[in-house]
Amino acid sequence: DQQVKQNSPSLSVQEGRISILNCDYTNSMFDYFLWYKKYPAEGPTFLISISSIKDKNEDGRFTVFLNKSAKHLSLHIVPSQPGDSAVYFCAASDQTGANNLFFGTGTRLTVIP
Amino acid sequence: NAGVTQTPKFRILKIGQSMTLQCAQDMNHNYMYWYRQDPGMGLKLIYYSVGAGITDKGEVPNGYNVSRSTTEDFPLRLELAAPSQTSVYFCASSSTYSNQPQHFGDGTRLSIL
Repeated sequence: DQQVKQNSPSLSVQEGRISILNCDYTNSMFDYFLWYKKYPAEGPTFLISISSIKDKNEDGRFTVFLNKSAKHLSLHIVPSQPGDSAVYFCAASDQTGANNLFFGTGTRLTVIP
Repeated sequence: NAGVTQTPKFRILKIGQSMTLQCAQDMNHNYMYWYRQDPGMGLKLIYYSVGAGITDKGEVPNGYNVSRSTTEDFPLRLELAAPSQTSVYFCASSSTYSNQPQHFGDGTRLSIL
């Protein structure tokens, strides 16, 4: 049973425009959310995170928004650059165990020059 | 600046063979994890460890074993390899504090034929 869902397998965006990647979750006990970026033949790289006490977190061109009532988070990339082309995974934790993470299935972002 | 190191990067096994996937981290993290990623899917937790000598099952532990004799190393053992274990395996580590990301190695691509 997939507790973290990314319903868009792929997204194409023009360079310079905004990329919006979406993620939904079902477990109301999740209180820490992360986005990872993955290039082929490499491991996931941590991008940005947000705890449930916030509704927004910014880091340069990347902003994560959290809507707890809708159990929805999104990643905004502005402006998008060709180097942002990668697979993006959403992950969530209820901070039990070893702060175990549950991952979505990923969204492949292609930024067109 | 090694972080999490996984060996080997690629391996082909025959059905019924066994092998150990190696993982080492140099960040003095107490928490370590093993995930598998199947095509088009998110990462699923196999086993995790909260410290030397302490391990526990994740979401998909069947067919695998782990041990944690040191803080640095967390090997994953496959006994009696089966085609269903063909996957990419990722090791990760994190600190024990809450709201901290996991850091991943570059993965081991394993094929069982």
